[in-house]
Amino acid sequence: DQQVKQNSPSLSVQEGRISILNCDYTNSMFDYFLWYKKYPAEGPTFLISISSIKDKNEDGRFTVFLNKSAKHLSLHIVPSQPGDSAVYFCAAENQGGKLIFGQGTELSVKP
Amino acid sequence: DAGVIQSPRHEVTEMGQEVTLRCKPISGHNSLFWYRQTMMRGLELLIYFNNNVPIDDSGMPEDRFSAKMPNASFSTLKIQPSEPRDSAVYFCASSFWGFRSTDTQYFGPGTRLTVL
Repeated sequence: DQQVKQNSPSLSVQEGRISILNCDYTNSMFDYFLWYKKYPAEGPTFLISISSIKDKNEDGRFTVFLNKSAKHLSLHIVPSQPGDSAVYFCAAENQGGKLIFGQGTELSVKP
Repeated sequence: DAGVIQSPRHEVTEMGQEVTLRCKPISGHNSLFWYRQTMMRGLELLIYFNNNVPIDDSGMPEDRFSAKMPNASFSTLKIQPSEPRDSAVYFCASSFWGFRSTDTQYFGPGTRLTVL
């Protein structure tokens, strides 16, 4: 059963606008969350993370928000740039330290 | 500095054949992970090694899959016999420590496997 879900397989955004990528999880014991970014023909690379003791973490144009009561996190990219076009994976760390990944959301930023 | 190296990058084989995927982790990293990416399930952890020892293989789908890490700089993932449902992108990743929140996993470029 999928414990981490990204329900939008794709998202298209205009350059300069905000991109919002969403992720839901089912296990309330998850306490660390990460976003990875993947370009075609390359492996995923770490982008940003957040601990469950926080509700927001910001790194430049990228901000991750965590809503523990809703078991939901989101990644905001402001402003979006064409180079941000990639597949974004959400991941949660379980108590054993294993990363549970979602299915990914393909972001397309149009010039 | 070289990242995680995987070979081959693409593999096309026929059902029933043996397939071997190879991985060279980043030098100095103590942990190695094998993942499989499919459209339906995203990235799934197959097996995790720490100091060349398999620690968690609960994600290995069935006995047709096996993985080895004979030394700190090389690992293989073998599928025998292969089936069309094994078609996916297989990633190898390495990290310095292993399963820790602050320990980033670095992924290789992946091997795209197609089983006809």
